[in-house]
Amino acid sequence: AQSVAQPEDQVNVAEGNPLTVKCTYSVSGNPYLFWYVQYPNRGLQFLLKYITGDNLVKGSYGFEAEFNKSQTSFHLKKPSALVSDSALYFCAVRDFTSGTYKYIFGTGTRLKVLA
Amino acid sequence: EAEVAQSPRYKITEKSQAVAFWCDPISGHATLYWYRQILGQGPELLVQFQDESVVDDSQLPKDRFSAERLKGVDSTLKIQPAELGDSAMYLCASSPVRQGAWETQYFGPGTRLLVL
Repeated sequence: AQSVAQPEDQVNVAEGNPLTVKCTYSVSGNPYLFWYVQYPNRGLQFLLKYITGDNLVKGSYGFEAEFNKSQTSFHLKKPSALVSDSALYFCAVRDFTSGTYKYIFGTGTRLKVLA
Repeated sequence: EAEVAQSPRYKITEKSQAVAFWCDPISGHATLYWYRQILGQGPELLVQFQDESVVDDSQLPKDRFSAERLKGVDSTLKIQPAELGDSAMYLCASSPVRQGAWETQYFGPGTRLLVL
């Protein structure tokens, strides 16, 4: 079965500094990888996805993610963090082992950007 | 911008009572999902509809949970009877794409359930 791992429960970064939120995956076949963000008391919002092609994927709000096949990673990055980026971030993979496509989400990483 | 609507936003109930959550997806979205998100974890799929048909309910505890989408538009998720372990956020999502690995889902704000 497909799975993703988010090794850090929380990431702290100073405003203006670059940020990285880590995700590693385990899939059979081609990986379809996603990042979602969740603000307090809100549903998840789509940030970006990797399907195929360029390993650097650009998404919403200045975020980007780098797909690395050899390291089975899909880390989320942003060159300059904002306080408003503070939220819960989920990595997800599309899984087809049950016969229908569904998301398998990681456990989430809480990002705290300090002013 | 169109959004997925959910109600209520918060629900407190006592164990053994019945609760129901409602979801109205983005207009025209054929696929609708119900997820359960326990505090500190990622969302877990409970049930997936394609129009009015259930296509995946393998993770739905069918002894107490039920879901319907009678006209292929809005949907209701019911728990009867509620148990303490059902306390969680219940998220609804919809998608315009009829299946596909590349599908992006649009999530509602969720219903936070507390069972006492």
